[in-house]
Amino acid sequence: EDKVVQSPLSLVVHEGDTVTLNCSYEVTNFRSLLWYKQEKKAPTFLFMLTSSGIEKKSGRLSSILDKKELFSILNITATQTGDSAVYLCAVFIGYKLSFGAGTTVTVRA
Amino acid sequence: NAGVMQNPRHLVRRRGQEARLRCSPMKGHSHVYWYRQLPEEGLKFMVYLQKENIIDESGMPKERFSAEFPKEGPSILRIQQVVRGDSAAYFCASSRPESLPNSPLHFGNGTRLTVT
Repeated sequence: EDKVVQSPLSLVVHEGDTVTLNCSYEVTNFRSLLWYKQEKKAPTFLFMLTSSGIEKKSGRLSSILDKKELFSILNITATQTGDSAVYLCAVFIGYKLSFGAGTTVTVRA
Repeated sequence: NAGVMQNPRHLVRRRGQEARLRCSPMKGHSHVYWYRQLPEEGLKFMVYLQKENIIDESGMPKERFSAEFPKEGPSILRIQQVVRGDSAAYFCASSRPESLPNSPLHFGNGTRLTVT
């Protein structure tokens, strides 16, 4: 059975801290891994990763994929209260996107 | 260039009633996905459709749930005889099949169904 597992389930940090979110997967027919941010409404797309070892960056967020060890990390540096959200990891298995349970990040001022 | 449009945003139904959720895909997109999100959980795949055809309904409960995407008009997710356990957020995403899996899915704002 295909699995996408995220850790931790939740964490609380203070503004300015750095957070690292983990996503491991065991799937057949892996195509790509995606990260989304969800704040009480639609998940919004952050990154799509298909190749190992190539870091993707967008401002204070970055992500990397390891296809040998079957995991990805999402880093957020210099966190702000606006980063508080659920971060979802998902894997394209064929044409279907399979999601992990998410990591809830709370950033306190 | 509107994104994926879902309505209603919120829907309240009593047990035993029917719920109809609508999704209009992005312009130029011919395929639609439906996902369900229970409280404190990730999104669970329900069904993948193209116009007038269901491609994959492996995530749909066997009873009371159905989905369609007619030639004209939005995709409809229909839940008959709703029960409290159907209370969830239902999200829709759309795609061009030729872009999969090299393009991300973009989601609508969801319909939050509450069964009382």
